[in-house]
Amino acid sequence: QQPVQSPQAVILREGEDAVINCSSSKALYSVHWYRQKHGEAPVFLMILLKGGEQKGHEKISASFNEKKQQSSLYLTASQLSYSGTYFCGTRLGGTDKLIFGTGTRLQVFP
Amino acid sequence: EAGVVQSPRYKIIEKKQPVAFWCNPISGHNTLYWYLQNLGQGPELLIRYENEEAVDDSQLPKDRFSAERLKGVDSTLKIQPAELGDSAVYLCASSLGYTGDTQYFGPGTRLTVL
Repeated sequence: QQPVQSPQAVILREGEDAVINCSSSKALYSVHWYRQKHGEAPVFLMILLKGGEQKGHEKISASFNEKKQQSSLYLTASQLSYSGTYFCGTRLGGTDKLIFGTGTRLQVFP
Repeated sequence: EAGVVQSPRYKIIEKKQPVAFWCNPISGHNTLYWYLQNLGQGPELLIRYENEEAVDDSQLPKDRFSAERLKGVDSTLKIQPAELGDSAVYLCASSLGYTGDTQYFGPGTRLTVL
């Protein structure tokens, strides 16, 4: 039931864009996105609910494709501060548990 | 507003020794979670409390792990005895409501078992 994230790693120059995908084999109720820097707590970015709208947070936005059971995180005009590991947490319909993916490591260089 | 507080931040012990981790959630948050995070992996739920009741402990290895949340506020996670494979980061998180709410994480305790 663990969601699959792709790609596993991304290397960017400042100002470049990136897309991180999170896919599930089961019907999703919600997707939660977090960013974690090395040695720090995961920081909440946004929640996407089934039937909900695309969300945005500064230059980071996300979408939820119910047909594909997939969420995508879009990072535009990346900044050095975007570096870290991005995790999606998925909640299946009828359950209370969040199951986290294996993460996507993003590195932004000057 | 203070975030989730965990202590200690780091712990090094020898195998077969006991160890305990403490977590104080965000004030007013009813639900508390303990997660285990192995290097390069996402967090895995160990136990979830709603107030003082453990509502999901299906992933907690009960032969050596125990947890409590007295008075529905702070919580302690214990391992006795620790094994080499227990080396990981133990994260605590809390959320305001009971189902599907945003979870806010603490900085974690990095455990090394020698």
